[in-house]
Amino acid sequence: KAGVTQTPRYLIKTRGQQVTLSCSPISGHRSVSWYQQTPGQGLQFLFEYFSETQRNKGNFPGRFSGRQFSNSRSEMNVSTLELGDSALYLCASSPTGVLGANVLTFGAGSRLTVL
Amino acid sequence: AQSVTQLGSHVSVSEGALVLLRCNYSSSVPPYLFWYVQYPNQGLQLLLKYTTGATLVKGINGFEAEFKKSETSFHLTKPSAHMSDAAEYFCAVTGGNEKLTFGTGTRLTIIP
Repeated sequence: KAGVTQTPRYLIKTRGQQVTLSCSPISGHRSVSWYQQTPGQGLQFLFEYFSETQRNKGNFPGRFSGRQFSNSRSEMNVSTLELGDSALYLCASSPTGVLGANVLTFGAGSRLTVL
Repeated sequence: AQSVTQLGSHVSVSEGALVLLRCNYSSSVPPYLFWYVQYPNQGLQLLLKYTTGATLVKGINGFEAEFKKSETSFHLTKPSAHMSDAAEYFCAVTGGNEKLTFGTGTRLTIIP
């Protein structure tokens, strides 16, 4: 059974640019969550999508957005990049999210460096 | 709302010694608790989880954790550390109907 696949694994952007990250969940999983991981802030919740609808959202500015497609694949976009957006972005999938304590299965992450 | 506090951002133990990583939680509803491990340049991997029932939970790689409601703790232990245990460990909590909230992590170093 294939795991959670995130692309690209590494990318470098400059300030002001935008970036799109992709996440393919485990087959049959309908929930996709996104987290930002930085040394200073740890793991911060960005948002969760379930059946193409954003169900939960963390405390990030509107520059951070996401969407989910009918096949449950998800993308997140960050516009007008800032140096502080440099981080490891982790995607996690589960059958229905955290309802009933479903386990989140994480991908390997996309490491974004903003210069 | 839920929160997690991991005591000790860095822990060093000798190979073969007991590993103890501390986690205290706060939750307004009965919690679901998790421990994840992260190796360099990788995502998070589930070690174990507590939902309901038995308070001593066994996980992969010889790790276990005990849920103590009276102490609001969920400490992770392993009787004998191995070099391959060197990694960062995250405790996480959810009330079951919202996001998973993570602690700030504990980096475990194993001394040969």
